[in-house]
Amino acid sequence: AAGVIQSPRHLIKEKRETATLKCYPIPRHDTVYWYQQGPGQDPQFLISFYEKMQSDKGSIPDRFSAQQFSDYHSELNMSSLELGDSALYFCASEQREKNTEAFFGQGTRLTVV
Amino acid sequence: SQKIEQNSEALNIQEGKTATLTCNYTNYSPAYLQWYRQDPGRGPVFLLLIRENEKEKRKERLKVTFDTTLKQSLFHITASQPADSATYLCALHTGGFKTIFGAGTRLFVKA
Repeated sequence: AAGVIQSPRHLIKEKRETATLKCYPIPRHDTVYWYQQGPGQDPQFLISFYEKMQSDKGSIPDRFSAQQFSDYHSELNMSSLELGDSALYFCASEQREKNTEAFFGQGTRLTVV
Repeated sequence: SQKIEQNSEALNIQEGKTATLTCNYTNYSPAYLQWYRQDPGRGPVFLLLIRENEKEKRKERLKVTFDTTLKQSLFHITASQPADSATYLCALHTGGFKTIFGAGTRLFVKA
């Protein structure tokens, strides 16, 4: 069965650079979530989209932005990267009307040096 | 403020015993609560969901209870195995478009 695909799996950037993370949800899933997980920490909700519109916002820095495209894939853009942005970034998708479980991707490990 | 609390200390148990993990929350009225398993460096994997009008849910060796009065969920793994060793995350779905995770509890099952 198709799963949530995230790319790239690993990314190394320098401070002040920009990074773009991509998420391809499971087909027919209409909701996408983005989470940030620092070392030894729980996943922190960043932002979510439902039917290509932003639906909720968490602790997402102003330097970050995200959008969901017509094909339902989503991108998280991170600018002016800081060392503290180094983390695992997870995307999850859900079929809203079923309201049951979110399926997570394998994550993108971002390292800022 | 809204808070989800899980046992911060790791839980060490012997193979074959029942592991019980606790999730307490404050200032939420979740529509439902979920439990996920996470292995190092990997995304959380869904295990069980329990709705606010349900007291208990079972799946194979797993059992979840949900007490909305106590604002607590208990997650049990019976006949535990070393392969059950992982971090277990409690997550609340607030009815909005976000799921809030607890910090997770690390479980170690010794052979």
